[in-house]
Amino acid sequence: LAKTTQPISMDSYEGQEVNITCSHNNIATNDYITWYQQFPSQGPRFIIQGYKTKVTNEVASLFIPADRKSSTLSLPRVSLSDTAVYYCLVGPYSGNTPLVFGKGTRLSVIA
Amino acid sequence: GAVVSQHPSRVICKSGTSVKIECRSLDFQATTMFWYRQFPKQSLMLMATSNEGSKATYEQGVEKDKFLINHASLTLSTLTVTSAHPEDSSFYICSARPLTGGGEKLFFGSGTQLSVL
Repeated sequence: LAKTTQPISMDSYEGQEVNITCSHNNIATNDYITWYQQFPSQGPRFIIQGYKTKVTNEVASLFIPADRKSSTLSLPRVSLSDTAVYYCLVGPYSGNTPLVFGKGTRLSVIA
Repeated sequence: GAVVSQHPSRVICKSGTSVKIECRSLDFQATTMFWYRQFPKQSLMLMATSNEGSKATYEQGVEKDKFLINHASLTLSTLTVTSAHPEDSSFYICSARPLTGGGEKLFFGSGTQLSVL
């Protein structure tokens, strides 16, 4: 499974846009890129998933360059409630293959 | 969206006792569920893959006799921590991927905080 590398932590002020970049140089052809958010003492929550180019939903955007060796999660206008750990995972579309978590990025939003 | 229910959310037990954690997919079927554990300030670590109707697949270093996994139906997997010790205290999280529709996503339970005294 492709290994991912993310910044350990990031700080941001409320209302700003936050971009978290993840490197996954060994991504395979059938791998998707998925981002999860985790609050303390809770299970991870799905944020967004993509294969290539750009994906946008009601909470975030995901930018994936053509070579797919990295991806960037963009959170528009963050609030204090966005303080959490964000994980970038790379793995197959479906099947019995689990997702392996990296260290994640601890985002702290400051008022 | 798909929901994975995990129970109990928190359990405190004495050393040497066994604890069972249930993981249910409420609105979808899953032939495979995954169990993770997480220590404070650390990432999730995959423990095992639970397969409906067959034996679980354990990750290297995870004792299968200590962490018993049963996947009796397409919506229920259980993890039993046998003869628990303080070092087993951790946050346990299950996850499942729907068979059809939304199969690209892995849905997670809310986790179980186990404290062994």
